[in-house]
Amino acid sequence: QKEVEQNSGPLSVPEGAIASLNCTYSDRGSQSFFWYRQYSGKSPELIMFIYSNGDKEDGRFTAQLNKASQYVSLLIRDSQPSDSATYLCAVPSGGSARQLTFGSGTQLTVLP
Amino acid sequence: SQTIHQWPATLVQPVGSPLSLECTVEGTSNPNLYWYRQAAGRGLQLLFYSVGIGQISSEVPQNLSASRPQDRQFILSSKKLLLSDSGFYLCAWSVLGHEQFFGPGTRLTVL
Repeated sequence: QKEVEQNSGPLSVPEGAIASLNCTYSDRGSQSFFWYRQYSGKSPELIMFIYSNGDKEDGRFTAQLNKASQYVSLLIRDSQPSDSATYLCAVPSGGSARQLTFGSGTQLTVLP
Repeated sequence: SQTIHQWPATLVQPVGSPLSLECTVEGTSNPNLYWYRQAAGRGLQLLFYSVGIGQISSEVPQNLSASRPQDRQFILSSKKLLLSDSGFYLCAWSVLGHEQFFGPGTRLTVL
């Protein structure tokens, strides 16, 4: 059973700071990693995915993958109050239907 | 572009009553479809997935069932609801890779 671990938080950062969210996974063979953002009462929204070691940047978001250490991070630069949400990490479960295993999520609060 | 619909948006049902939640996807063909449940303050639990019409796989044995009568329609059902069935039910789809896209969800409260 593949496992995905995230610090549940809550994580609080001041507006304008860098928020760092971490995720570790158990399957060394995992090839792709996904970050979802979920606002309170809403459904998850895909914001980033990464396949290769290193960094992938998209606007204020950077995903960092370290396969040797089996962790993936999401950095949010210049954090805004609108970034306050729960961030879910997901990895493929290995099934034929392209299932994902989700972490329990990290709750982020950006303080004005 | 693809869109996914779920209804109803909210539902309050008594214990022992039946359930039918519907999910439809527009703008794509042959999607993989998924039903998840998210209990309050918890992570996502995969309930069912489907790779085609009539093909349903269950991840967790329980009093729920799923059906896929059409390519882009996925239905979650129960004959008798339990208190523990309360939660946020999410339908999702994927086509080429592992990226999954979620519908708006149905919030179910069983009293």
